[in-house]
Amino acid sequence: DIQMTQSPSTLSASVGDRVTITCRASQSFSFWLAWYQQKPGKAPNLLIYRASRLQSGVPSRFSGSGSGTEFTLTISSLQPEDFATYYCQQYYIYPNTFGQGTKLEIK
Amino acid sequence: EVQLVESGGGLVQPGGSLRLSCVSSGLTSSNSVMSWVRQAPGKGLEWVSTVSDGGSSTHYADAVKGRFTISRDNSKNTLYLHMNSLRVEDTAVYYCANDGPQYSEGGVYYTSRSFGVWGQGTMVTVSS
Repeated sequence: DIQMTQSPSTLSASVGDRVTITCRASQSFSFWLAWYQQKPGKAPNLLIYRASRLQSGVPSRFSGSGSGTEFTLTISSLQPEDFATYYCQQYYIYPNTFGQGTKLEIK
Repeated sequence: EVQLVESGGGLVQPGGSLRLSCVSSGLTSSNSVMSWVRQAPGKGLEWVSTVSDGGSSTHYADAVKGRFTISRDNSKNTLYLHMNSLRVEDTAVYYCANDGPQYSEGGVYYTSRSFGVWGQGTMVTVSS
């Protein structure tokens, strides 16, 4: 199985900050990676697919990059509604696997 | 726009069974690969199972293999998860999800196998 490791597990930041979350895979799989945002009590919401493609309706302050074993999600200027938990997921091979999550908190 | 609505969750004793359903509305999901993802209380997301658009190909997480069965009835736009021999550690919110978006590269169209649309989830509690 491919293990996905996110860092950091918790991130404290302020509105307007630029933040980056990293996701590392235990083996290489090109671009088959997605990022999700989840708010408490809600279902996850797809932000980025194929490592860098922005899902329709997602604000352009979100961007993804990377390939192989290292991927990043960047939020260019944090907005109040961005404070949530973020997950990466590889869909290159079964079992699909998620990172453990990064909780983005208000500083 | 596809919408997904799960049902069938509840309280069940260890060793019991439950069947979850996920009904899709809006654009048909019969051409979509469909999946179940779960989330234990206070924990992260865990992929459970995926079924192909026609229902002939299925995949399972090791934690549920041999106990859970995924199926679909495209005539009813419904996805199922039959859960047997339930364990306390199966306690979670269960989400159904379908394919990610279509996109074009080099003039060829692809469908992302990420999870593009999610239901609201249904809670399964396994406890004596």
